[in-house]
Amino acid sequence: DTAVSQTPKYLVTQMGNDKSIKCEQNLGHDTMYWYKQDSKKFLKIMFSYNNKELIINETVPNRFSPKSPDKAHLNLHINSLELGDSAVYFCASSQSAPYGYTFGSGTRLTVV
Amino acid sequence: DAKTTQPPSMDCAEGRAANLPCNHSTISGNEYVYWYRQIHSQGPQYIIHGLKNNETNEMASLIITEDRKSSTLILPHATLRDTAVYYCIVRVSGSGGGADGLTFGKGTHLIIQP
Repeated sequence: DTAVSQTPKYLVTQMGNDKSIKCEQNLGHDTMYWYKQDSKKFLKIMFSYNNKELIINETVPNRFSPKSPDKAHLNLHINSLELGDSAVYFCASSQSAPYGYTFGSGTRLTVV
Repeated sequence: DAKTTQPPSMDCAEGRAANLPCNHSTISGNEYVYWYRQIHSQGPQYIIHGLKNNETNEMASLIITEDRKSSTLILPHATLRDTAVYYCIVRVSGSGGGADGLTFGKGTHLIIQP
């Protein structure tokens, strides 16, 4: 069983479209995250979310919005996609600290 | 969170111990040292973490200096599959990610040579 699963693995779409990436974790973790890895390979936190609080990195455009239907899922919605949104997006989850994070295998988004 | 400094790249012969250094001279007393790695095209993988004492698990050992200003990750018998970018991260223990979650730097690209 995959601990943190993301779908789709690859996503190619045109500028201006709206798309979603799904994430599910079966670890019973309390907190989930979205990270973006750009072409320079830097990993940057976008959101962290548990059942009490959504924390948004202030540098993330408001075209990006996380949606959590339940504790095991944190989906990422992106509106009006731009070329600069092309990246690999990773979902992760964790228990309360100090335990480590478990990452998904990533979704490679290409905007054309 | 305290910043970390790692060499950009290192080589190690297969079967030998790989020792990856990390400097975190501004670490605070309540900050943990975490190590992750990212194998090409995969998601980051948690390796180990520690606060003050040395730690060992099935993947690696973590040696933290007494003043906690630096640490070393040791892969005891490196294999080709250990080729990856290794990230040393310092983070306060909290209830979750916080506004910045784990902050990844550039890491060390470890190349295991056959």
